[in-house]
Amino acid sequence: QVQLQESGPGLVRPSETLSLTCSVSGDSIRTSRYYWSWIRQPPGQGLEWIGYIYDSGNTHYNPSVKSRVTMSEDTSKNQFSLRMTSVTAADTAVYYCTRERPGYMDVWGKGTTVTVSS
Amino acid sequence: DIQMTQSPSSLSASVGDRVTITCQASQHIKKYLNWYQQKPGKAPKLLIYDAYNLHVGVPSRFSGGGYGTDFTFTISSLQPEDIATYFCQQYDIPPWTFGQGTKVEIK
Repeated sequence: QVQLQESGPGLVRPSETLSLTCSVSGDSIRTSRYYWSWIRQPPGQGLEWIGYIYDSGNTHYNPSVKSRVTMSEDTSKNQFSLRMTSVTAADTAVYYCTRERPGYMDVWGKGTTVTVSS
Repeated sequence: DIQMTQSPSSLSASVGDRVTITCQASQHIKKYLNWYQQKPGKAPKLLIYDAYNLHVGVPSRFSGGGYGTDFTFTISSLQPEDIATYFCQQYDIPPWTFGQGTKVEIK
């Protein structure tokens, strides 16, 4: 059974960098045919697809955050990561990592809440 | 970006009722439309992909249809465990975008 688990700081100061990691079990991100993506959900709002990483480091980002986002993977640890710079209060959200087929997200982590505040 | 518009934004129905949600895309997206269920405090779960394909393990009372710009999601007989918010999502042209959600409650 494939499982994903997000980890990272729950509080980030404005203008600083948000860094999250997703640990994958039950599948190998190195050999998998799937893509690995991040999605976020601001409090009480809908879902926003941030982007994905696939095939040993290829990425595709949402233009809404493209200038501030970097995704990477550590195949030795079977993890992939999200880095978002210059955060503001608008980046406060629950962040989910997912396995993507691509186009549809069939496995989700439980989510991690990130609050941007001083 | 492709805009996804769901209606209604919320609905209340009785156990056993047939419930239908619609999702309209701002441009033609062929069959590339998915539906997710999100219960309070939980991550979304994939229910239907490619407009009408049931994801593994999803009860058969859930179904989807449509093509192009207009799509439907139906619960044939609403159960208490179906209380949740449902989202549509397109993946014809990136960035993938979601509808604003439909909250389903029991009357």
